[in-house]
Amino acid sequence: GDSVTQMEGPVTLSEEAFLTINCTYTATGYPSLFWYVQYPGEGLQLLLKATKADDKGSNKGFEATYRKETTSFHLEKGSVQVSDSAVYFCALSDLSGNTPLVFGKGTRLSVIA
Amino acid sequence: GAVVSQHPSWVICKSGTSVKIECRSLDFQATTMFWYRQFPKQSLMLMATSNEGSKATYEQGVEKDKFLINHASLTLSTLTVTSAHPEDSSFYICSARVGNTIYFGEGSWLTVV
Repeated sequence: GDSVTQMEGPVTLSEEAFLTINCTYTATGYPSLFWYVQYPGEGLQLLLKATKADDKGSNKGFEATYRKETTSFHLEKGSVQVSDSAVYFCALSDLSGNTPLVFGKGTRLSVIA
Repeated sequence: GAVVSQHPSWVICKSGTSVKIECRSLDFQATTMFWYRQFPKQSLMLMATSNEGSKATYEQGVEKDKFLINHASLTLSTLTVTSAHPEDSSFYICSARVGNTIYFGEGSWLTVV
């Protein structure tokens, strides 16, 4: 079945550092790809998405490009802030019928001042 | 603004009692909603798929009689934790699909004492 693999955390960065969180996927079809963010004690918020190959999703300085050739959707941000400290989940869905999201295990990011 | 709303955000109940969590789709009809459970510092575990007007589809290992799911209308799905025990304490979160995006509710923290 479909699956998502994320880099293991936790990741600790200094403020203004460059962030990369790796995400690769396995899917039989052509899924849509998502990054969700979960701040402490809260639910999941959609951060960005891409629905087809070579699409780039972006939001709040974060970017991720749907790479079909490498089956990847790495999350990047040029300069992180303390407020970016959260858990980031990569996920996929074929968006058909009753298919739920398939999640990675999540990567905890801590940004220190 | 939010497109999926959960209530309550926090609930404390005594062992042996039942507690109901509501998940509402705002301004759209959701024939399918998904219920997840999240343990501390872990990823989301799909519990069941809630289908409007029919029985929910439960994931393997999830007790149907303990976690009752009702999807009586196109905008409301409910999860009832019956005869709750401390090990049921967890973060429960629902999601629904809107077009090519999947949104999550704010989540509900359940503490059984």
